[in-house]
Amino acid sequence: SAVISQKPSRDICQRGTSLTIQCQVDSQVTMMFWYRQQPGQSLTLIATANQGSEATYESGFVIDKFPISRPNLTFSTLTVSNMSPEDSSIYLCSVEALEGYGYTFGSGTRLTVV
Amino acid sequence: AQSVTQPDIHITVSEGASLELRCNYSYGATPYLFWYVQSPGQGLQLLLKYFSGDTLVQGIKGFEAEFKRSQSSFNLRKPSVHWSDAAEYFCAVGAYGNKLVFGAGTILRVKS
Repeated sequence: SAVISQKPSRDICQRGTSLTIQCQVDSQVTMMFWYRQQPGQSLTLIATANQGSEATYESGFVIDKFPISRPNLTFSTLTVSNMSPEDSSIYLCSVEALEGYGYTFGSGTRLTVV
Repeated sequence: AQSVTQPDIHITVSEGASLELRCNYSYGATPYLFWYVQSPGQGLQLLLKYFSGDTLVQGIKGFEAEFKRSQSSFNLRKPSVHWSDAAEYFCAVGAYGNKLVFGAGTILRVKS
């Protein structure tokens, strides 16, 4: 299965600033997903990132707040913009291999907004 | 609508005892089913998955799960729990090319 490198692993940011999270995969994948896990909660899908097209956002998430790039089949970024303490969460990148072997997750980015 | 229900928020078992974590799902098509484990401060690790075929699937760390279509269930089991199994466990459902939908998670505590 794919191996995902996600950076940074954690960060503490000031409110009003933005943070860009990177997700690098060691193989080409069709679908890349960005999830949010708020403290004590399960995972919620933010958006699906497709190469060559705009990301598809889930209800409650908007591009202005969570812009996503997907320049090629092995890389994606998620930006958390104009952060507030409510954005403090773990953000996880996930991929589905072309072979359909299932979903793999990065180790996540633990974001704290102060 | 697609959904996953994990009815137990917390479960406590004694070390060496057997474990069963429940998962029920609602999905319009033939689903792919997954169990993930998350240790404190860590990302998600895939324990096992079911796509098709044998309804009893074996995973890592001695875990297994059984798919029961008639009950829309995919319960996770382990015959003898170790203290290192203490973590949060998530059941998820999806299909190829579609997003995963996660349950709320079950926190497993192991007492010695």
